[in-house]
Amino acid sequence: GQNIDQPTEMTATEGAIVQINCTYQTSGFNGLFWYQQHAGEAPTFLSYNVLDGLEEKGRFSSFLSRSKGYSYLLLKELQMKDSASYLCAVRETAAEQGNLIFGKGTKLSVKP
Amino acid sequence: DTGVSQDPRHKITKRGQNVTFRCDPISEHNRLYWYRQTLGQGPEFLTYFQNEAQLEKSRLLSDRFSAERPKGSFSTLEIQRTEQGDSAMYLCASRGRGSGANVLTFGAGSRLTVL
Repeated sequence: GQNIDQPTEMTATEGAIVQINCTYQTSGFNGLFWYQQHAGEAPTFLSYNVLDGLEEKGRFSSFLSRSKGYSYLLLKELQMKDSASYLCAVRETAAEQGNLIFGKGTKLSVKP
Repeated sequence: DTGVSQDPRHKITKRGQNVTFRCDPISEHNRLYWYRQTLGQGPEFLTYFQNEAQLEKSRLLSDRFSAERPKGSFSTLEIQRTEQGDSAMYLCASRGRGSGANVLTFGAGSRLTVL
C-alpha cells in the first residue's frame, strides 16, 4: 500500500531552523517533492529529490534517503511568512505519467 | 503566463444538485491533473489527462464524477447528485514537457460546500 507520514504540527521561533521529516512506503519511487501551502491558497513547489543526498535552494534544503524511505525539509532563518503547511509527496511511477501521492501535511507555526 | 486558473473559486450548492468546475492550465502544458483536498489533509489524486486523453482515474472518482478535456486545453470536472461528503477543495494542476516537466503547478482551487 501507500503510506506517507509527516508530523501534523510544528512550532518554531522566528530566525531559528526547523526540520520537517517525511517517511514513505510506496509501491514504486520516482521522486520526492515538497510543496508549501498557505491557508486557502494553492500548493507551491519548493523542492524535488530523486537521488540520495541534499538539495539546497536558498533558505530551504531537502534531503532524501531512498534506502530508508526518508526525507526532510530544512528551513533556515525562519520568517513569519514561513507559517504554512508543508506537503511531502512521492511520485510512484515513471515520470512520464506519474501523479503525486501526498502526505497529510505539516502545519508550521512561526512565532516571534 | 497567468498560471493555472480555476473557476469558480467558491461554490455552495444543495445536496442532489450538479456542479461543474473549470480549469485552464498553463498554455504550453500538455498534462492536467485533478486533486481533491479536505481540511487538514493533503491533496488526493482524482484523474489525469495527457492532451485530451484521460489516462488515469483514481478509485475515488465514483460514477457521479466525470472529467473531460475535449480539445486538450481546458478541463471540466462535473459532480452529479452532490453529497455532503463531496465538500472539499478541488485542485487542478498542470505539467509540461522538458526540463520543467517534473513540477506540478497548481491552481488556487475551487471550494465546494454541499449543504
